[in-house]
Amino acid sequence: DTEVTQTPKHLVMGMTNKKSLKCEQHMGHRAMYWYKQKAKKPPELMFVYSYEKLSINESVPSRFSPECPNSSLLNLHLHALQPEDSALYLCASSQGADSGSGNTIYFGEGSWLTVV
Amino acid sequence: AQTVTQSQPEMSVQEAETVTLSCTYDTSESNYYLFWYKQPPSRQMILVIRQEAYKQQNATENRFSVNFQKAAKSFSLKISDSQLGDTAMYFCAFISPNAGNNRKLIWGLGTSLAVNP
Repeated sequence: DTEVTQTPKHLVMGMTNKKSLKCEQHMGHRAMYWYKQKAKKPPELMFVYSYEKLSINESVPSRFSPECPNSSLLNLHLHALQPEDSALYLCASSQGADSGSGNTIYFGEGSWLTVV
Repeated sequence: AQTVTQSQPEMSVQEAETVTLSCTYDTSESNYYLFWYKQPPSRQMILVIRQEAYKQQNATENRFSVNFQKAAKSFSLKISDSQLGDTAMYFCAFISPNAGNNRKLIWGLGTSLAVNP
Protein backbone atom coordinates (compact mmCIF):
# COMPACT_ATOMS: atom_id res chain seq x y z
CA ASP A 1 0.00 0.00 0.00
CA THR A 2 1.31 3.41 -0.98
CA GLU A 3 1.75 6.03 1.72
CA VAL A 4 1.98 8.78 -0.87
CA THR A 5 -1.49 9.43 -2.27
CA GLN A 6 -2.05 11.17 -5.57
CA THR A 7 -5.26 12.45 -7.12
CA PRO A 8 -6.61 12.21 -9.70
CA LYS A 9 -5.28 8.95 -11.13
CA HIS A 10 -6.23 10.01 -14.65
CA LEU A 11 -6.75 13.49 -16.09
CA VAL A 12 -7.61 14.60 -19.61
CA MET A 13 -7.39 18.33 -20.26
CA GLY A 14 -7.48 20.71 -23.16
CA MET A 15 -4.65 23.07 -23.91
CA THR A 16 -6.59 26.05 -22.53
CA ASN A 17 -7.71 24.36 -19.32
CA LYS A 18 -6.45 24.92 -15.79
CA LYS A 19 -6.22 21.86 -13.58
CA SER A 20 -4.30 20.68 -10.54
CA LEU A 21 -2.65 17.48 -9.42
CA LYS A 22 -2.67 16.78 -5.70
CA CYS A 23 -0.37 14.75 -3.46
CA GLU A 24 -0.50 13.91 0.21
CA GLN A 25 1.81 12.03 2.56
CA HIS A 26 1.52 11.33 6.27
CA MET A 27 4.96 9.87 6.93
CA GLY A 28 6.31 13.10 8.42
CA HIS A 29 8.67 13.54 5.49
CA ARG A 30 10.01 17.05 4.96
CA ALA A 31 11.12 16.69 1.33
CA MET A 32 8.55 16.33 -1.44
CA TYR A 33 9.09 15.93 -5.15
CA TRP A 34 7.37 16.13 -8.51
CA TYR A 35 8.65 13.91 -11.31
CA LYS A 36 7.52 13.54 -14.90
CA GLN A 37 7.78 10.11 -16.50
CA LYS A 38 7.28 9.05 -20.11
CA ALA A 39 6.53 5.43 -20.96
CA LYS A 40 9.46 3.03 -20.48
CA LYS A 41 11.74 5.91 -19.37
CA PRO A 42 13.15 6.84 -15.96
CA PRO A 43 11.48 9.65 -14.01
CA GLU A 44 12.66 13.19 -14.67
CA LEU A 45 12.87 15.47 -11.67
CA MET A 46 10.79 18.63 -11.93
CA PHE A 47 10.63 20.22 -8.47
CA VAL A 48 11.84 19.59 -4.93
CA TYR A 49 10.32 21.13 -1.82
CA SER A 50 12.38 21.04 1.34
CA TYR A 51 10.68 22.04 4.58
CA GLU A 52 7.86 23.56 2.53
CA LYS A 53 10.18 25.76 0.49
CA LEU A 54 11.01 25.26 -3.17
CA SER A 55 14.62 24.13 -3.26
CA ILE A 56 15.03 22.76 -6.78
CA ASN A 57 13.32 23.78 -10.02
CA GLU A 58 14.76 21.83 -12.92
CA SER A 59 14.09 24.63 -15.41
CA VAL A 60 10.49 23.55 -15.74
CA PRO A 61 8.26 25.70 -18.00
CA SER A 62 6.06 28.16 -16.13
CA ARG A 63 2.91 26.40 -17.32
CA PHE A 64 3.69 24.02 -14.43
CA SER A 65 3.34 25.73 -11.05
CA PRO A 66 4.07 23.83 -7.84
CA GLU A 67 2.65 24.66 -4.45
CA CYS A 68 3.31 23.24 -0.99
CA PRO A 69 0.48 24.40 1.32
CA ASN A 70 1.88 22.47 4.29
CA SER A 71 4.32 19.71 5.13
CA SER A 72 1.89 16.97 4.08
CA LEU A 73 0.51 18.41 0.86
CA LEU A 74 1.96 19.13 -2.55
CA ASN A 75 0.10 20.45 -5.57
CA LEU A 76 1.03 20.88 -9.19
CA HIS A 77 -1.03 23.51 -11.01
CA LEU A 78 -1.33 23.06 -14.74
CA HIS A 79 -2.20 25.76 -17.27
CA ALA A 80 -1.90 26.06 -21.04
CA LEU A 81 -0.21 22.70 -21.41
CA GLN A 82 0.98 21.21 -24.67
CA PRO A 83 0.31 17.72 -26.01
CA GLU A 84 3.96 16.81 -25.35
CA ASP A 85 3.29 17.35 -21.64
CA SER A 86 1.19 14.17 -21.66
CA ALA A 87 2.93 11.83 -19.23
CA LEU A 88 2.76 10.13 -15.85
CA TYR A 89 3.35 12.64 -13.05
CA LEU A 90 4.80 11.12 -9.93
CA CYS A 91 4.78 12.67 -6.49
CA ALA A 92 7.32 11.44 -3.96
CA SER A 93 8.62 12.18 -0.49
CA SER A 94 11.62 11.43 1.71
CA GLN A 95 12.99 12.14 5.15
CA GLY A 96 15.44 14.96 5.67
CA ALA A 97 15.93 18.05 3.58
CA ASP A 98 16.29 16.19 0.31
CA SER A 99 17.45 12.91 -1.16
CA GLY A 100 21.10 13.88 -1.03
CA SER A 101 21.71 12.17 2.29
CA GLY A 102 20.71 8.87 0.74
CA ASN A 103 17.23 8.72 2.22
CA THR A 104 14.84 6.48 0.35
CA ILE A 105 12.38 8.29 -1.87
CA TYR A 106 8.83 6.94 -1.62
CA PHE A 107 6.63 7.36 -4.67
CA GLY A 108 2.91 7.64 -5.18
CA GLU A 109 1.08 5.70 -7.87
CA GLY A 110 1.11 8.69 -10.18
CA SER A 111 -1.37 10.77 -12.14
CA TRP A 112 -1.64 9.96 -15.81
CA LEU A 113 -2.12 13.22 -17.71
CA THR A 114 -3.33 13.46 -21.29
CA VAL A 115 -3.35 16.86 -22.99
CA VAL A 116 -5.63 17.12 -26.03
CA ALA B 1 29.54 13.92 -14.68
CA GLN B 2 27.88 11.15 -12.76
CA THR B 3 26.17 8.55 -14.90
CA VAL B 4 24.32 5.27 -14.44
CA THR B 5 24.26 2.64 -17.17
CA GLN B 6 21.93 -0.33 -17.46
CA SER B 7 23.11 -2.30 -20.46
CA GLN B 8 20.15 -4.70 -20.71
CA PRO B 9 17.03 -2.94 -22.00
CA GLU B 10 14.96 -6.15 -21.82
CA MET B 11 15.35 -9.50 -20.11
CA SER B 12 13.22 -12.53 -19.52
CA VAL B 13 13.39 -15.40 -17.05
CA GLN B 14 11.38 -18.50 -16.29
CA GLU B 15 9.43 -18.61 -13.09
CA ALA B 16 11.49 -19.98 -10.15
CA GLU B 17 14.80 -19.30 -11.88
CA THR B 18 17.45 -16.74 -10.96
CA VAL B 19 18.19 -13.61 -12.98
CA THR B 20 20.81 -10.88 -12.64
CA LEU B 21 20.32 -7.31 -13.82
CA SER B 22 23.43 -5.25 -14.42
CA CYS B 23 24.14 -1.66 -13.45
CA THR B 24 27.36 0.30 -13.69
CA TYR B 25 27.96 3.86 -12.65
CA ASP B 26 30.60 6.52 -12.97
CA THR B 27 31.58 8.91 -10.20
CA SER B 28 34.65 10.40 -8.59
CA GLU B 29 32.94 10.50 -5.21
CA SER B 30 33.74 7.99 -2.47
CA ASN B 31 30.57 8.54 -0.48
CA TYR B 32 27.31 7.75 -2.23
CA TYR B 33 24.19 5.62 -2.22
CA LEU B 34 22.82 3.19 -4.77
CA PHE B 35 19.27 2.03 -5.25
CA TRP B 36 17.26 -0.47 -7.23
CA TYR B 37 13.67 0.56 -7.85
CA LYS B 38 10.95 -1.62 -9.35
CA GLN B 39 7.99 -0.28 -11.34
CA PRO B 40 5.38 -2.95 -12.18
CA PRO B 41 2.75 -2.36 -14.84
CA SER B 42 0.52 -0.89 -12.08
CA ARG B 43 2.95 2.04 -12.18
CA GLN B 44 3.96 2.56 -8.54
CA MET B 45 7.73 2.90 -8.17
CA ILE B 46 8.86 0.77 -5.24
CA LEU B 47 12.26 0.56 -3.57
CA VAL B 48 13.76 -2.91 -3.93
CA ILE B 49 17.10 -2.44 -2.26
CA ARG B 50 19.44 0.30 -1.03
CA GLN B 51 23.21 0.16 -0.65
CA GLU B 52 25.52 2.56 1.15
CA ALA B 53 28.89 2.81 -0.59
CA TYR B 54 30.92 2.76 2.61
CA LYS B 55 29.38 -0.57 3.63
CA GLN B 56 31.25 -3.47 2.07
CA GLN B 57 28.54 -5.98 2.88
CA ASN B 58 26.11 -6.51 0.03
CA ALA B 59 22.54 -5.53 0.82
CA THR B 60 19.85 -8.20 0.70
CA GLU B 61 16.07 -8.11 0.93
CA ASN B 62 14.42 -11.52 0.88
CA ARG B 63 14.83 -12.90 -2.69
CA PHE B 64 16.65 -9.76 -3.85
CA SER B 65 20.37 -9.23 -3.34
CA VAL B 66 23.04 -7.06 -4.86
CA ASN B 67 26.62 -7.64 -5.90
CA PHE B 68 28.29 -4.33 -5.09
CA GLN B 69 31.77 -4.02 -6.54
CA LYS B 70 32.95 -0.54 -5.55
CA ALA B 71 36.28 -0.64 -7.39
CA ALA B 72 34.57 -1.77 -10.59
CA LYS B 73 31.68 0.66 -10.01
CA SER B 74 29.20 -2.15 -10.52
CA PHE B 75 25.91 -2.72 -8.70
CA SER B 76 24.04 -5.73 -10.08
CA LEU B 77 20.71 -7.02 -8.77
CA LYS B 78 20.07 -10.74 -8.37
CA ILE B 79 16.52 -12.00 -8.14
CA SER B 80 16.26 -15.56 -6.86
CA ASP B 81 13.24 -17.84 -7.29
CA SER B 82 11.65 -15.40 -9.75
CA GLN B 83 7.90 -14.92 -9.41
CA LEU B 84 5.31 -13.64 -11.89
CA GLY B 85 4.91 -10.56 -9.70
CA ASP B 86 8.55 -9.65 -10.36
CA THR B 87 7.59 -8.64 -13.90
CA ALA B 88 8.41 -4.92 -14.00
CA MET B 89 10.77 -2.19 -15.10
CA TYR B 90 13.82 -2.11 -12.86
CA PHE B 91 15.73 1.14 -12.46
CA CYS B 92 19.17 1.54 -10.94
CA ALA B 93 19.82 4.94 -9.33
CA PHE B 94 22.71 6.79 -7.68
CA ILE B 95 23.07 9.81 -5.45
CA SER B 96 25.99 11.51 -3.76
CA PRO B 97 25.63 13.82 -0.74
CA ASN B 98 28.62 15.74 -2.01
CA ALA B 99 27.06 16.70 -5.31
CA GLY B 100 26.41 20.26 -4.17
CA ASN B 101 23.50 21.79 -6.03
CA ASN B 102 23.09 18.60 -8.02
CA ARG B 103 21.86 16.50 -5.11
CA LYS B 104 19.35 14.46 -7.00
CA LEU B 105 18.93 10.85 -8.02
CA ILE B 106 20.73 9.90 -11.22
CA TRP B 107 18.75 7.18 -12.98
CA GLY B 108 19.67 4.44 -15.40
CA LEU B 109 17.43 3.89 -18.43
CA GLY B 110 15.91 0.79 -16.91
CA THR B 111 15.64 -2.93 -17.63
CA SER B 112 12.27 -4.40 -18.53
CA LEU B 113 12.07 -7.84 -16.90
CA ALA B 114 9.45 -10.39 -17.92
CA VAL B 115 8.95 -13.48 -15.75
CA ASN B 116 7.40 -16.24 -17.81
CA PRO B 117 5.27 -19.07 -16.39
